[in-house]
Amino acid sequence: EVQLLESGGGLVQPGGSLRLSCAASNFTFSIYAMTWVRQAPGKGLEWVSTIIGSGGSTYYADFVKGRFTISRDNPKNTLYLQMNSLRAEDTAVYYCAKENWGSFDLWGRGTLVTVSS
Amino acid sequence: ENGLTQSPVTLSLSPGERATLSCRASQSVSSYLAWYQQKPGQAPRLLIYDASNRATGIPARFSGSGSGTDFTLTISSLEPEDFAVYYCQQRSNWPPSYTFGQGTKLEIK
Repeated sequence: EVQLLESGGGLVQPGGSLRLSCAASNFTFSIYAMTWVRQAPGKGLEWVSTIIGSGGSTYYADFVKGRFTISRDNPKNTLYLQMNSLRAEDTAVYYCAKENWGSFDLWGRGTLVTVSS
Repeated sequence: ENGLTQSPVTLSLSPGERATLSCRASQSVSSYLAWYQQKPGQAPRLLIYDASNRATGIPARFSGSGSGTDFTLTISSLEPEDFAVYYCQQRSNWPPSYTFGQGTKLEIK
């Protein structure tokens, strides 16, 4: 079964850091762009960042530029999101998703990040 | 940024009825217009890609249409499991970025 499984969420203080991981299984991970999408409690979906299959290009929403870094380890079939300088408004469930020609055809179950003192 | 506006915000219908959900873009959208269904506590699920193509395993009662700035998701006859929140999404070509609509909640009347 094709699958994405996020981990690494938790409670962190404002200004702190957290690293999310997303383990992919049963598809050719290295040929697909991968994306992080987040959803604040009771709110809609919000694109965060995308990385192409090779890892050579990355793209970010304006609200995370300079604070978050997306990366991938293709031999390990794993996607990462390094989040620094976290703010209360970054509190959300973070989903990783596989892109397929502009849409996201596979999603993980999400990992909750809570930024609070 | 190409914003997406969904309407209505909430749609109250009964099982067996037809649902029509709208997504309007502030600028013309390429073919990358998708629709997702999300149930409480679950991840979104892709329903429609490229405006009108059903994703794998999606029942035929779901259909998508539209082009340019106006897009529609139609559910021909609502099943109890269809009551959920629906989002549209588009991709801008350069630089690549992705935008979601604010969602339409489809609730049981």
